[in-house]
Amino acid sequence: DVKVTQSSRYLVKRTGEKVFLECVQDMDHENMFWYRQDPGLGLRLIYFSYDVKMKEKGDIPEGYSVSREKKERFSLILESASTNQTSMYLCASTLSGSYEQYFGPGTRLTVT
Amino acid sequence: KQEVTQIPAALSVPEGENLVLNCSFTDSAIYNLQWFRQDPGKGLTSLLLIQSSQREQTSGRLNASLDKSSGRSTLYIAASQPGDSATYLCAVRGFGGQNFVFGPGTRLSVLP
Repeated sequence: DVKVTQSSRYLVKRTGEKVFLECVQDMDHENMFWYRQDPGLGLRLIYFSYDVKMKEKGDIPEGYSVSREKKERFSLILESASTNQTSMYLCASTLSGSYEQYFGPGTRLTVT
Repeated sequence: KQEVTQIPAALSVPEGENLVLNCSFTDSAIYNLQWFRQDPGKGLTSLLLIQSSQREQTSGRLNASLDKSSGRSTLYIAASQPGDSATYLCAVRGFGGQNFVFGPGTRLSVLP
């Protein structure tokens, strides 16, 4: 079974802090994604990566950056957290070819 | 730009009923379509993946169909149970890109 894990289930940070969210998958998937999910807005793509050190902006990249130094790990960075970044953050991965998405359990981030 | 809608937004049924959830998409040039289940506060669990060349997929009490020409997919749940209560989302992936577009979801309540 594919397993996608995220570093924290719940996180509370203060405005202006630098925040790291980590995602690890154990199935050698090439593609990894970061989404945020908000009531009424659904899932929105922040960034994705199709290979180590490769990244592409999604629909809402502003205020975020990412890092993929190893194939299994994809990190989302909030350079200076703001209250409008309070959200559920979901990581996903897919194998090239089938593109079946597998999601992690999510991180509920609150910025106060 | 691909848009995905789901009808109904919410559905409440008594246990044992068969039910159908609908997913519509505006651009029929899709690579695949995936149905997910999401429990409150949790990540997304993959239910069924239909490739563009397929018409349907089945898993247990679930059956998903795909009609690309009309831009529709349906998820059929047979003999519903209270444990099926969750939000169901569909997502489509187009060609030439890594992005998936998600629908807003249908919130299902199965009453004992």
